[in-house]
Amino acid sequence: AQKVTQAQTEISVVEKEDVTLDCVYETRDTTYYLFWYKQPPSGELVFLIRRNSFDEQNEISGRYSWNFQKSTSSFNFTITASQVVDSAVYFCALSEAEQAGTALIFGKGTTLSVSS
Amino acid sequence: DAGVTQSPTHLIKTRGQQVTLRCSPKSGHDTVSWYQQALGQGPQFIFQYYEEEERQRGNFPDRFSGHQFPNYSSELNVNALLLGDSALYLCASSPGRTYYGYTFGSGTRLTVV
Repeated sequence: AQKVTQAQTEISVVEKEDVTLDCVYETRDTTYYLFWYKQPPSGELVFLIRRNSFDEQNEISGRYSWNFQKSTSSFNFTITASQVVDSAVYFCALSEAEQAGTALIFGKGTTLSVSS
Repeated sequence: DAGVTQSPTHLIKTRGQQVTLRCSPKSGHDTVSWYQQALGQGPQFIFQYYEEEERQRGNFPDRFSGHQFPNYSSELNVNALLLGDSALYLCASSPGRTYYGYTFGSGTRLTVV
């Protein structure tokens, strides 16, 4: 069965600290997609990254980086030098890819609070 | 370029009533998905519409139904509302059935009393 686990419910850091959000997934498929979304207080989910199961290269985008490890079924997200604007709920999601556009399975989210 | 637009933003209904939520997808997007997000939880997939047909459905009862119009906009209908239907309802659109990150709206906050 598909499942996404975000064990960290809440994380609090002080500005400029680095923070890593953990994501562990379960799937029987060999082809799947992993996502991270940010949900600010306004409610909309903001797309951050998509990674397919055949691409294990880590990715860096500005202060954001992602570490995908199939061996441990993890897709962790690191924010370097955190800022107050990073405060939000972050969701990891999984999509099994037998056909395009299948449903996203979300974790319960991690609430990140960055104080100044 | 407008993103995904949902209306209304907030709604209060009484148990047993029916509700209709609306979604206009991002320009150029023809696929619409609906998600329910209970407080403190991740979004849960309700269903997806493509070419005016329901293409995929999550584990939700038949009280939840939808429709997609020729202009790709969509409605979510919930009949016989229960207290447990109180949630944020999110609409997501995509250009065809792709994986390139769905665009989500800000949602409709439904409260059932």
